[in-house]
Amino acid sequence: DQQVKQNSPSLSVQEGRISILNCDYTNSMFDYFLWYKKYPAEGPTFLISISSIKDKNEDGRFTVFLNKSAKHLSLHIVPSQPGDSAVYFCAASIYYGNNRLAFGKGNQVVVIP
Amino acid sequence: ETGVTQTPRHLVMGMTNKKSLKCEQHLGHNAMYWYKQSAKKPLELMFVYSLEERVENNSVPSRFSPECPNSSHLFLHLHTLQPEDSALYLCASSQDISPGRTQPQHFGDGTRLSIL
Repeated sequence: DQQVKQNSPSLSVQEGRISILNCDYTNSMFDYFLWYKKYPAEGPTFLISISSIKDKNEDGRFTVFLNKSAKHLSLHIVPSQPGDSAVYFCAASIYYGNNRLAFGKGNQVVVIP
Repeated sequence: ETGVTQTPRHLVMGMTNKKSLKCEQHLGHNAMYWYKQSAKKPLELMFVYSLEERVENNSVPSRFSPECPNSSHLFLHLHTLQPEDSALYLCASSQDISPGRTQPQHFGDGTRLSIL
């Protein structure tokens, strides 16, 4: 059974506007969450992470929000740029675990110039 | 230059062939992973190695055989594969997997495998 779910598989957004990607998880043991970005013909690259002791983590144009009670996190990209067009994967783990990541299926983002 | 290099990038093979996928990491990491990514499915963890020792095998069929001769190299030996094994195979590495705290995994660009 899928423990990390990313619905709305694709998103189109105008350059300069905000992109919001959502992720839900079912395992209440997860306490560390990561976002990866993937271009075609390349492997996923780590983007940003958040620990469950926080509800927000920001890195430049990327911000991740965590709502533990709802088992939901989101990634905000603002302003969106054409180079952000990629597939974004949400992943979750148990922080003091064994480094096993559970991945979502990914969201395709297209930023329109 | 990517820290994790996978070869070949593309592989087409028949069901009776034997081939190997290679992964090399230049990051000084101690843990390496094989993942399978099928169309419209999440990444599936196949194998985990820590300091050249296999620490996890996620119910992967025996037609997939991993090998980790040292902490920088990881192989996936393939034999008598099935059409449903066609997928993108990704290698990743991380600093280590124990005693604790999750670390981001660094991925290679993958091998696109097609079984005829």
